[in-house]
Amino acid sequence: EAGVAQSPRYKIIEKRQSVAFWCNPISGHATLYWYQQILGQGPKLLIQFQNNGVVDDSQLPKDRFSAERLKGVDSTLKIQPAKLEDSAVYLCASSQVGGGPTDTQYFGPGTRLTVL
Amino acid sequence: GQQLNQSPQSMFIQEGEDVSMNCTSSSIFNTWLWYKQDPGEGPVLLIALYKAGELTSNGRLTAQFGITRKDSFLNISASIPSDVGIYFCAGRDTNAGKSTFGDGTTLTVKP
Repeated sequence: EAGVAQSPRYKIIEKRQSVAFWCNPISGHATLYWYQQILGQGPKLLIQFQNNGVVDDSQLPKDRFSAERLKGVDSTLKIQPAKLEDSAVYLCASSQVGGGPTDTQYFGPGTRLTVL
Repeated sequence: GQQLNQSPQSMFIQEGEDVSMNCTSSSIFNTWLWYKQDPGEGPVLLIALYKAGELTSNGRLTAQFGITRKDSFLNISASIPSDVGIYFCAGRDTNAGKSTFGDGTTLTVKP
């Protein structure tokens, strides 16, 4: 079974530029998560989708970050414009259900973003 | 918001030694999770705990869900070089599926 795919793996941009990350979850997984992981910290949830609807985006900086999952499969996370403090690894994860005691999240390898 | 405190922040041990790390929270969680993250990869689930007081093993790993539901520990016995990595605890709100992560314990194993 293929895992969660993310691209690109690395991205370097200058502040005020725009950037987009792509995620393809495990086939059949209804729930998709985007996390931000700053160096030396644990992942922090940015947004959670259930199929193509948003379940939780309370920690998404909506003035500059946006995410979509139009057909309930792939997802794109965009930052526009980027700030220095956005330098981090952006992790995508998926799970079958999105709740329930035994639902397991599977993480992709992440995209490492450096903002100069 | 919810915060998880992991300790220690880092550990340097000799191959063959046992390791213990823990995680405490100001909030109650229904599920506790332990992940390992290797460089350049996403976290991988090691152990999931679903009931207060539960003790679960996975090979050389043992984890316990605290009685108060506000803490958990992870033990690794007879460490080997491939145990090197960052270990994260996470508490999950079971109904929503949302996980809150600690800041990790970095483990270094000297051969």
